[in-house]
Parts: sequence; structure tokens; C-alpha cells
Amino acid sequence: DTGVSQNPRHKITKRGQNVTFRCDPISEHNRLYWYRQTLGQGPEFLTYFQNEAQLEKSRLLSDRFSAERPKGSFSTLEIQRTEQGDSAMYLCASNQHGELFFGEGSRLTVL
Amino acid sequence: RKEVEQDPGPFNVPEGATVAFNCTYSNSASQSFFWYRQDCRKEPKLLMSVYSSGNEDGRFTAQLNRASQYISLLIRDSKLSDSATYLCVVRASGRDDKIIFGKGTRLHILP
Repeated sequence: DTGVSQNPRHKITKRGQNVTFRCDPISEHNRLYWYRQTLGQGPEFLTYFQNEAQLEKSRLLSDRFSAERPKGSFSTLEIQRTEQGDSAMYLCASNQHGELFFGEGSRLTVL
Repeated sequence: RKEVEQDPGPFNVPEGATVAFNCTYSNSASQSFFWYRQDCRKEPKLLMSVYSSGNEDGRFTAQLNRASQYISLLIRDSKLSDSATYLCVVRASGRDDKIIFGKGTRLHILP
């Protein structure tokens, strides 16, 4: 399968724990995006990369959130000291120029 | 003003009817526009790009009004399978490749 891959698909954690999500984009895509989506809302922009460079971070991305794309291929999104408000679907997408292709998302539940 | 605004709906429309959605955007320098479709518990997928001259794809017509900064989507002869959330998507210009989603408009096609 050459689509965007995300894992884990589901993560349940206790408040205060750290979690990390991984995204493997389509191999030839140089841009990679992270979004967060809660029920009934559209995807909210978090950050994006062009190759290994992180070009923009949303104000939604507090200092507990960090994203990396060290070799310009896969990316990780880490949330430290999780809070219940972090419960959401975290979507990764990639593109080259036009259409964004999304992964199936990583659903986080913080208890 | 939010970057991308949509009426959340829901729009409850009888099968066979025509339905139209609008979306407004705040950044007059935005370059690219799209409509995505999202089914329940699925990732967003591209429905169609929106071109300055307007474009049609089967029963779907998209239009862009740069002067008024809005985008529209028209669905003719609606089908039960059109029930979904429709996301308006705007891409900023130049070096800033941030892609912003609206909150989505929910559409229910009634038999």
C-alpha cells in the first residue's frame, strides 16, 4: 500500500502520560501536514513540513506538542503530559503540489 | 474573522433535489481552493478542486468568487450516497503553503 500510513490507529492513555504518533507519507511527497479533528469539527491545522523543515506551527500547538521530520520522510507528533482536552483524531496528510492525501488518523483518548 | 467559514448545517435534502453550499475565506491572497468530502469516521478525501473559471464534474459544480472571497459547491440530482460532510479547503499563497479547512457542512440526503 503506497498511501499515507499512521500508527498507532488508536491510543488510550492516562492524563499526564506522553504519547507519540507516527506518520509515513507517500514516498515522493515533500510536504507533510498534521491536523487535529474533534467530533463535529473540521480538521484544525497544527503544523507542516517541507522536507525536514518545519515551516509553520499553529497557536493550537502548545509547548506540550512537538513534531519532527528528521530525514524528510516519516514524521512524529509527540504530546507530553497529556490532558483530557487532547482527546481527538490526529490526522496526517502529504502532498507534492496539489491534492492532500490523508492517512486514516490516530485516535487519542485521554482518560 | 475565521480563516475559512462554512455553515455547519445539517442540510436535510430529499433525494433528487439540488443543494448548494457556500464557504467564505479571509485571506485575499489565497491561491488554491478545494472541496473535500468526509464520511463518518473516515479521513477526508478530495472531491474537486475549484478553478477561477468554475468547474463541473458530473453532478457537482464548484465556483470561485475572488472579489467576494467565497467558494460554492452545487450538487444536482442528489443521491443517498452524497450524505457526508463537505469541507471547504483554502491554500495560502507563495511560500506559505498552509492548507486550512473549514469546519464542514453536514449533508443528509433523505429517501
